[in-house]
Amino acid sequence: ELKVEQNPLFLSMQEGKNYTIYCNYSTTSDRLYWYRQDPGKSLESLFVLLSNGAVKQEGRLMASLDTKARLSTLHITAAVHDLSATYFCAVGRDDKIIFGKGTRLHILP
Amino acid sequence: DAGVTQSPTHLIKTRGQQVTLRCSPKSGHDTVSWYQQALGQGPQFIFQYYEEEERQRGNFPDRFSGHQFPNYSSELNVNALLLGDSALYLCASRTDGSGNTIYFGEGSWLTVV
Repeated sequence: ELKVEQNPLFLSMQEGKNYTIYCNYSTTSDRLYWYRQDPGKSLESLFVLLSNGAVKQEGRLMASLDTKARLSTLHITAAVHDLSATYFCAVGRDDKIIFGKGTRLHILP
Repeated sequence: DAGVTQSPTHLIKTRGQQVTLRCSPKSGHDTVSWYQQALGQGPQFIFQYYEEEERQRGNFPDRFSGHQFPNYSSELNVNALLLGDSALYLCASRTDGSGNTIYFGEGSWLTVV
């Protein structure tokens, strides 16, 4: 059974700091997704990672994938308050997408 | 270009009732999936439809059923509602091909009382 674990589940950090969210998954997968969710809102797609060593960056967010370690990271550089949200990683296998429990990120001014 | 649209946005039902939720995929998308997101949890995969057939299903009872129409829109039906069915129901669409970006609708908030 495919399982996805994120850590940390909660993160409070100061503006301007860097931090990394980790996503481990239990079995092989052909794709990994990162999503952002604001309170009461739907999911916004951030990144789709398809191959080992894939790295994608958008603004202050950078995602990477190591399929051998079954690990993806979402790195936040010089955090700003607007990045406060819940971040989900999700792993695809066949036609299923399995989500982690999410990392609730709160950035303090 | 309208994204994924869902209706209704909010609804309240009584235990034992039935509910139908609707989804129109993003233009050009032919694959629709449904997810259930309980408060404070990650979304859980219910099922996926492609070419009007259920292609994959998660660990949900038969009370959860769906349909896809020729125009690719989809419905999620839940029978014999339980209090535990209260959640945000998300519809997602993409073009066929597992590496494609999946787009989510705003969701339908279902409260069962």
